[in-house]
Amino acid sequence: GAVVSQHPSWVICKSGTSVKIECRSLDFQATTMFWYRQFPKQSLMLMATSNEGSKATYEQGVEKDKFLINHASLTLSTLTVTSAHPEDSSFYICSAEEGNTEAFFGQGTRLTVV
Amino acid sequence: QQQVKQSPQSLIVQKGGISIINCAYENTAFDYFPWYQQFPGKGPALLIAIRPDVSEKKEGRFTISFNKSAKQFSLHIMDSQPGDSATYFCAARSGGYNKLIFGAGTRLAVHP
Repeated sequence: GAVVSQHPSWVICKSGTSVKIECRSLDFQATTMFWYRQFPKQSLMLMATSNEGSKATYEQGVEKDKFLINHASLTLSTLTVTSAHPEDSSFYICSAEEGNTEAFFGQGTRLTVV
Repeated sequence: QQQVKQSPQSLIVQKGGISIINCAYENTAFDYFPWYQQFPGKGPALLIAIRPDVSEKKEGRFTISFNKSAKQFSLHIMDSQPGDSATYFCAARSGGYNKLIFGAGTRLAVHP
């Protein structure tokens, strides 16, 4: 299957700083990517849908000014957590679709805000 | 109507046994039903998926059974192995590039 690479795998940052997470489709072009957040022992919660060359569509309750999403190319989407606080600590996962069918997920990023 | 209800929440199976996880949905517009396997600290990986024009799909030890009239689908893992111990998520979607609706997940433990 197609490969989606997410970087970094884990990051620790100080409260008040910003963190950028990258999601790349390595062997296919992804016009649409999705960003999820997952708390321990819970399901994936969709945060936003990222479309290449246009603004992201955020799910209800997700602060778009806090979670900045940029999809500058067909192979790269980034999620920036701005002014991070301990409650933003979570597991963030991206996915991308190949050919309008299957969704392939990145390996996830563990964010810890101290 | 957008929900996908998954059960059981957790499941313990002996090695060699059959693991069965069930999901139910309401939205008849859903046309793609994947199952994902997730190990701790990793992203979900697609296991197997089905579309509503077939009632069953088998790939190795994994089988999806789909009941369109009941709006239910299930994952069967035959000859379960300790390496199958993971969290499994069912999902559903209507149309391509639309968001996946995930079930709550099932934590499977296969005991040797």
